[in-house]
Amino acid sequence: GDSVTQMEGPVTLSEEAFLTINCTYTATGYPSLFWYVQYPGEGLQLLLKATKADDKGSNKGFEATYRKETTSFHLEKGSVQVSDSAVYFCALNKNNFNKFYFGSGTKLNVKP
Amino acid sequence: DSGVTQTPKHLITATGQRVTLRCSPRSGDLSVYWYQQSLDQGLQFLIQYYNGEERAKGNILERFSAQQFPDLHSELNLSSLELGDSALYFCASSETGGVQYFGPGTRLTVL
Repeated sequence: GDSVTQMEGPVTLSEEAFLTINCTYTATGYPSLFWYVQYPGEGLQLLLKATKADDKGSNKGFEATYRKETTSFHLEKGSVQVSDSAVYFCALNKNNFNKFYFGSGTKLNVKP
Repeated sequence: DSGVTQTPKHLITATGQRVTLRCSPRSGDLSVYWYQQSLDQGLQFLIQYYNGEERAKGNILERFSAQQFPDLHSELNLSSLELGDSALYFCASSETGGVQYFGPGTRLTVL
C-alpha cells in the first residue's frame, strides 16, 4: 500500500550547519508531496509542497525536490538556526481520494 | 492561524469516562481528519470524513467514534477511557486534492 518513510531522529546539528532529512514514498499514480513542521507545543504547519515530478517546493530557506525516479522528497536547508528546532513530517496525498499518508516524523535539534 | 479550530484545548478526566472533542474545519473544506499523537509516537491517523460521510479509517479503536455534521464540523467521541488514551488529538481539514490544515490540538489527560 501507499506509505511514507523518513529518516529516524533525533538529528542534532550546530547552528549554520547543512540539513538533510530523507523522505521516500511508495504510491501508485502521481501523489502530491508535503513537508510539515511541528514546533514544540503546537500543531502541524505546512512547510512546503510539490505537486508533480521535478517540482521544487521551497519556504523559509527549506527546499525539497519531487524525484519520481527515486521516489524521494528529501528536505534540505543550507544553514539551520536554533529556531528551526522542531519535528518535521513528510507526507503524501493521493489526490483522487484525498487520502494523506504521514511519515513518522524526524526531530531536529539545533544547538547554538 | 490555520483556520481550523478545536475545543477544548485541554481536557483532564478519569479512566472509564467519556469525552467529546470538537473540530470546526476551514471555511469551504469538506474533508475532516482526526489524528492521535502520543508522546513518543508519530501521528496516528484515526478517521476521515468527507461532506458528512466516513471516507477512510485508520487505527481507530472501537471505543472511539466520530461524525461530521451537516455544517461540516466534526466531533470525536472517546469512551471507556484508559490511561493510554492520554495524547494530543489533532483535527485537520482540506479541500479536495489540496493541502491539509491542522488545528491547534486538544491535549487529553486521563488520570
